[in-house]
Amino acid sequence: GAVVSQHPSRVICKSGTSVKIECRSLDFQATTMFWYRQFPKQSLMLMATSNEGSKATYEQGVEKDKFLINHASLTLSTLTVTSAHPEDSSFYICSARTGREKLFFGSGTQLSVL
Amino acid sequence: GESVGLHLPTLSVQEGDNSIINCAYSNSASDYFIWYKQESGKGPQFIIDIRSNMDKRQGQRVTVLLNKTVKHLSLQIAATQPGDSAVYFCAERTGANSKLTFGKGITLSVRP
Repeated sequence: GAVVSQHPSRVICKSGTSVKIECRSLDFQATTMFWYRQFPKQSLMLMATSNEGSKATYEQGVEKDKFLINHASLTLSTLTVTSAHPEDSSFYICSARTGREKLFFGSGTQLSVL
Repeated sequence: GESVGLHLPTLSVQEGDNSIINCAYSNSASDYFIWYKQESGKGPQFIIDIRSNMDKRQGQRVTVLLNKTVKHLSLQIAATQPGDSAVYFCAERTGANSKLTFGKGITLSVRP
């Protein structure tokens, strides 16, 4: 299947700093990428849909100024958690859709804010 | 509201037995369903998918069954192995460009 690379896999940062997470589709072009958040023992919650060359569409309750998404190319989307706080600590996962229906996921990023 | 949910939070099976993981969905307009496997600390891994115009689809050791009458989806794993231990999620989609909605997840534990 298609490969989606997500980096970093784990990051620890101080409260108030910003963290950038990258999501790359390695062997296909992804016009649409999705960002999810997952708390321990819970399901995936969609945060936003990222379309190449346009502004991301955020789900209700997700602060777009807090979670900045950039989808500058067909193979790269980034999520920046700005002014991170301990409550932002979570597992963040990106996914990319191929031209067909299947959605492939990155390996996730565990963010810990101290 | 519309939701996708799972009947059981955990499932424990003996190695070598068959596993059946069930999922109920409530949106009758959903046209595409996927099962994902997620191991601890990793992203979801695609297992198998099925469109609403089908009622059964088979893969390697896995079978997905769709019963649109009762809005029920199941994943069958044949000859369950220790490596199958993970959390399994069903997901539904309504329309070609719509987002996926994930169920709550069920933990499959394989006893040696």
